Amino acid sequence: DGGITQSPKYLFRKEGQNVTLSCEQNLNHDAMYWYRQDPGQGLRLIYYSQIVNDFQKGDIAEGYSVSREKKESFPLTVTSAQKNPTAFYLCASRDERLAGYTFGSGTRLTVV
Amino acid sequence: GESVGLHLPTLSVQEGDNSIINCAYSNSASDYFIWYKQESGKGPQFIIDIRSNMDKRQGQRVTVLLNKTVKHLSLQIAATQPGDSAVYFCAETGGDYKLSFGAGTTVTVRA
Repeated sequence: DGGITQSPKYLFRKEGQNVTLSCEQNLNHDAMYWYRQDPGQGLRLIYYSQIVNDFQKGDIAEGYSVSREKKESFPLTVTSAQKNPTAFYLCASRDERLAGYTFGSGTRLTVV
Repeated sequence: GESVGLHLPTLSVQEGDNSIINCAYSNSASDYFIWYKQESGKGPQFIIDIRSNMDKRQGQRVTVLLNKTVKHLSLQIAATQPGDSAVYFCAETGGDYKLSFGAGTTVTVRA
């Protein structure tokens, strides 16, 4: 079945560490997105990529980095520069013909 | 700044009744709107969408209404069921395909 896979589902990070969240899709979608969700709030855009080897900052990119070396993969690194990284992270992809997104099941990151 | 928001953060509804969830948006350039359902610990799931050249669109037990004059969007769920308990988000885009999301409405269905 086609879809988006995020891993791990739960991730714990010590302060000062970088961690990378995985996002893989087999939908053949060109565009991919990373969102952050905090309790009781909507989704905020971190980074997005419209095509391989290209990506743009979203509304809250500080402290995060991404790469898009393959169409299927869009990993997100949460760096030590991100002061409040504890959140639920959602990856999504979009078919170029459609405006709606398909979301993964999310990664819950907790700083310990 | 421009934003998408929902009128009420929570909604409690009796099983079998109809639910109405409201959303206001401020970006007049928005031309595509989507409602998502998010269950606890999961990613958002597409419910229904509507383009700005339409006022109403119906799906299975759901209807989306768009009033461009007052920049208002609503989601109606008929005969609400326990499985409808979730957080509902409206989202909009103005053509650049970057979706902007509201804060969400938590719907709780009472048995």
